[in-house]
Amino acid sequence: DAGVIQSPRHEVTEMGQEVTLRCKPISGHDYLFWYRQTMMRGLELLIYFNNNVPIDDSGMPEDRFSAKMPNASFSTLKIQPSEPRDSAVYFCASTSLGPAGANVLTFGAGSRLTVL
Amino acid sequence: AQSVTQLGSHVSVSEGALVLLRCNYSSSVPPYLFWYVQYPNQGLQLLLKYTSAATLVKGINGFEAEFKKSETSFHLTKPSAHMSDAAEYFCAVSRSGGGADGLTFGKGTHLIIQP
Repeated sequence: DAGVIQSPRHEVTEMGQEVTLRCKPISGHDYLFWYRQTMMRGLELLIYFNNNVPIDDSGMPEDRFSAKMPNASFSTLKIQPSEPRDSAVYFCASTSLGPAGANVLTFGAGSRLTVL
Repeated sequence: AQSVTQLGSHVSVSEGALVLLRCNYSSSVPPYLFWYVQYPNQGLQLLLKYTSAATLVKGINGFEAEFKKSETSFHLTKPSAHMSDAAEYFCAVSRSGGGADGLTFGKGTHLIIQP
């Protein structure tokens, strides 16, 4: 398995531009998570999906952020308009519920976003 | 809400010395606990997990962790540090004690290995 695939790996954009980050989860995983990592706040859960349905988006910082999962193999995180404070590494992770109930997340390599 | 606290944002040890990274948890339900490692410019990789079976959990790369309910701790150890162990280490707890609703992570501990 190729693991969780994220693109782009690096994105540099100017304030006010739209940013779209993409994620392909591991085949067969029915949970998908978006995390944001910054020096100040560490790793924060933004939103997660189960069977393509958003379950908890309470971590999405504001209305400029939106996420979709149109099918089991693809998800997007969109920021519109982007601001310098959105600069961070965005991780996608996926999992399926194992027999022990412990959700072992498999992470992608991340998308490093810089907003100038 | 479940949470974890990692003591020490930076830990420095000599090559060959014992590695001890501290993690304390707070949970209203029996927790599922995890340690992840992050190498520069990479995603997080699972080291080990505790799921209420054995309290001493062995992971990859010679790491292990012991769940101590009385101390609400889940410290990570390795008997002999390698240069390749230099990385960021994260302790995490399941958000609801079980199920698949994600993990809450600690702030991370940067492990530095001195030659």
